[in-house]
Amino acid sequence: QVQLQESGPGLVKPSETLSLTCSVSGDSVNGYYWSWIRQPPGKGLEWIGYIYYTGSTKYNPSLNSRLTISVDTSKNQLSLRLSSVTAADTAVYYCARVSILTGTYYYNMDVWGKGTTVTVSS
Amino acid sequence: DIQMTQSPSSLSASVGDRVTITCRASQSIISYLNWYQQKPGKAPNLLICAASTLQSGVPSRFSGSGSGTDFTLTINNLQPEDFATYYCQQNFHIPWMFGQGTKVEIK
Repeated sequence: QVQLQESGPGLVKPSETLSLTCSVSGDSVNGYYWSWIRQPPGKGLEWIGYIYYTGSTKYNPSLNSRLTISVDTSKNQLSLRLSSVTAADTAVYYCARVSILTGTYYYNMDVWGKGTTVTVSS
Repeated sequence: DIQMTQSPSSLSASVGDRVTITCRASQSIISYLNWYQQKPGKAPNLLICAASTLQSGVPSRFSGSGSGTDFTLTINNLQPEDFATYYCQQNFHIPWMFGQGTKVEIK
């Protein structure tokens, strides 16, 4: 079955760029949307954005100016880059597969990675 | 942005109880509503999509209902493994938004 694995530096300095990768195994990235979600310590979930395998994206406007999500179909990976980070970007970052209920436009995030913890600190 | 408000924020219940969690959207989202379960230290798990469609493999004691702005997640015959935090999430409008979560604790 499809599995997702997030990876990247666990510690990033303020004002620097956070870069994460999500490796997909057991299925191809082709044909799907893929999403990033984060969860600050002790808090709720925040949707970051999604990308279609063709490269088209939708971002959370609150992060839009700092965010880049990309996909590499040859490596079966997606990536997230968040620039000018602050302590408020400290969170567990998840990637997730986005599925669409057959015959509808109802999206859902049905497969998640285990998440990777990113701390922003000097 | 469409704001999602869950109630209650937390509740205490016993094994075998029936539990109801409410999610209200700040404007109509038709049926573009998903429910997730999250256990401590784990990723969220999709329970219900499109307000009432049970995800494959999810026990039938979970059910969802509602449309427009008001939605409900019901857990019948609460089991020990159901103690967790539950989130609703709308996918009607960008940005997708989650509710603040409802923590179901053991009484």
